[in-house]
Amino acid sequence: GAVVSQHPSRVICKSGTSVKIECRSLDFQATTMFWYRQFPKQSLMLMATSNEGSKATYEQGVEKDKFLINHASLTLSTLTVTSAHPEDSSFYICSARLSRDRGDGYTFGSGTRLTVV
Amino acid sequence: GENVEQHPSTLSVQEGDSAVIKCTYSDSASNYFPWYKQELGKRPQLIIDIRSNVGEKKDQRIAVTLNKTAKHFSLHITETQPEDSAVYFCAALWMDSSYKLIFGSGTRLLVRP
Repeated sequence: GAVVSQHPSRVICKSGTSVKIECRSLDFQATTMFWYRQFPKQSLMLMATSNEGSKATYEQGVEKDKFLINHASLTLSTLTVTSAHPEDSSFYICSARLSRDRGDGYTFGSGTRLTVV
Repeated sequence: GENVEQHPSTLSVQEGDSAVIKCTYSDSASNYFPWYKQELGKRPQLIIDIRSNVGEKKDQRIAVTLNKTAKHFSLHITETQPEDSAVYFCAALWMDSSYKLIFGSGTRLLVRP
């Protein structure tokens, strides 16, 4: 239980185009979704926190106009990388906090490998 | 903001030996400390976690210790096996309104057969 489905798993896009990444909570409601970015051989860096029905909160240094986050329902959060550039190539992964009756931990999506050419 | 420091960055041990990874955190209000194992290109997988109301937790070959006074926690893997080779991340819960996890920099563990 408590599965977050993330799509696509891999995407290659041309520089200047936009890419949308989706994370769906399959068997629970995720009021909050966290978006991380991971460059090769580095840690997971929190980009932003999305809250259902309200604006996302971005971490310092993350451009909110470039990384658009939408959390319109309790089961879906999306991250759109706009006007992608090669330096945006990275592994993007979402995470949701679980309620106490679900173990009170965090569950992660399977990640999206974005390559901008 | 919350900061989590993790050491060492790489660790190589002989199969059967123990491995210890250490982390420190900055938010004294943090009360949840998970450890994750990540294989290349995969999502992090929770291997053990500890909450601030306990000082130690063990699950078979894996144990975690927590020292709240010193704000540090450690992962101990005993009787290491080659399949333990992976990158390990510690994390701490930042106690702001969003309850976000902040990750350490990771430790690449290599278990030599």
